[in-house]
Amino acid sequence: DQQVKQNSPSLSVQEGRISILNCDYTNSMFDYFLWYKKYPAEGPTFLISISSIKDKNEDGRFTVFLNKSAKHLSLHIVPSQPGDSAVYFCAASKNFGNEKLTFGTGTRLTIIP
Amino acid sequence: DTGVSQDPRHKITKRGQNVTFRCDPISEHNRLYWYRQTLGQGPEFLTYFQNEAQLEKSRLLSDRFSAERPKGSFSTLEIQRTEQGDSAMYLCASSFQGEQFFGPGTRLTVL
Repeated sequence: DQQVKQNSPSLSVQEGRISILNCDYTNSMFDYFLWYKKYPAEGPTFLISISSIKDKNEDGRFTVFLNKSAKHLSLHIVPSQPGDSAVYFCAASKNFGNEKLTFGTGTRLTIIP
Repeated sequence: DTGVSQDPRHKITKRGQNVTFRCDPISEHNRLYWYRQTLGQGPEFLTYFQNEAQLEKSRLLSDRFSAERPKGSFSTLEIQRTEQGDSAMYLCASSFQGEQFFGPGTRLTVL
């Protein structure tokens, strides 16, 4: 039972344009959502998070949007840079992040110079 | 460096051998988590501690796996009688509230 889904295994975007990565979840008990970036042979690096009491959180070039009624969140990166090329994981948790994370399968983002 | 550290970074073992991994969390973090990641998948939860107490263990986790955090600081994950299916990246993460910060992982290969 895949409770967190990332339906796009890969995405290619021109440098300078907007990258939009999507994530859907099925468990309505999730109340905290995170995005991680992962390079090969390294652990995931935390990017940005959002609590279910908000619908948007912004940090520099990264913005996460949460649509609770649709059980959908998205990560926007603008402008996209070559260093953004990596695998991006969406994760969800209960109890506002004080429990285990449930991850999606990841989206490989490639930024084309 | 004050991030999460893991040792060793790589481990190659023969089927049937026991292996032990160590994780040192960020010093003020009271929660410590273990995850496992295989190719093409996201990290999968194994177990977690709050201070020295093990609060949850995945139902998927075989009884060959055991974890400890004896003084509420570092943690060890032991796998007994390893099988080829145990080959994976083992990730440790720590948190105080909210975001979990991950270490670089230990890559286990079982021959």
